[in-house]
Amino acid sequence: AQRVTQPEKLLSVFKGAPVELKCNYSYSGSPELFWYVQYSRQRLQLLLRHISRESIKGFTADLNKGETSFHLKKPFAQEEDSAMYYCALSAQGGGADGLTFGKGTHLIIQP
Amino acid sequence: ETGVTQSPTHLIKTRGQQVTLRCSSQSGHNTVSWYQQALGQGPQFIFQYYREEENGRGNFPPRFSGLQFPNYSSELNVNALELDDSALYLCASSLRQLTEAFFGQGTRLTVV
Repeated sequence: AQRVTQPEKLLSVFKGAPVELKCNYSYSGSPELFWYVQYSRQRLQLLLRHISRESIKGFTADLNKGETSFHLKKPFAQEEDSAMYYCALSAQGGGADGLTFGKGTHLIIQP
Repeated sequence: ETGVTQSPTHLIKTRGQQVTLRCSSQSGHNTVSWYQQALGQGPQFIFQYYREEENGRGNFPPRFSGLQFPNYSSELNVNALELDDSALYLCASSLRQLTEAFFGQGTRLTVV
């Protein structure tokens, strides 16, 4: 069975500092990895997915199959980045097994 | 284009009762998934419906069941409620050939 681990429950950084939210996964096949974000009083929404290789709101994430990691990074944090971040894995094409989520990291950007 | 909507937003039930939660999928989406999110945890996959049939299920007992209707809206039914069923229930819709899921705002179920 697949698993997603987010080791940090809470991460607090100052505005303008670099941010890295860690995500490690275990899965024997080729997963599809995602980062979802939930801003205060809003619904869960997709931030980015590894296959698109995009930078969204300044965030990037690279899939490292050797280290089974998909860390989320941003060089300069902004106050509006404060939110709950979830790393998620899809185990097969079409998503019939659903998404496996980590427990989430609460990111707080201090002014 | 409308997003995913869930009803009700909050619900209180007694242990042993049954509950039905509802979800309207985003326009054009034919796949609906349900997740349970306990306090302090990430969402946990319950099951997925595609074209009115269940085509994927997580580690949940049979008392968790669902339906998908021809308009792709969906219901989650939970029988014989237990205290541990208290959680936020999320519905997500997507296109079958894509895995990007769009989530509703959730239904907060409290079992007392």
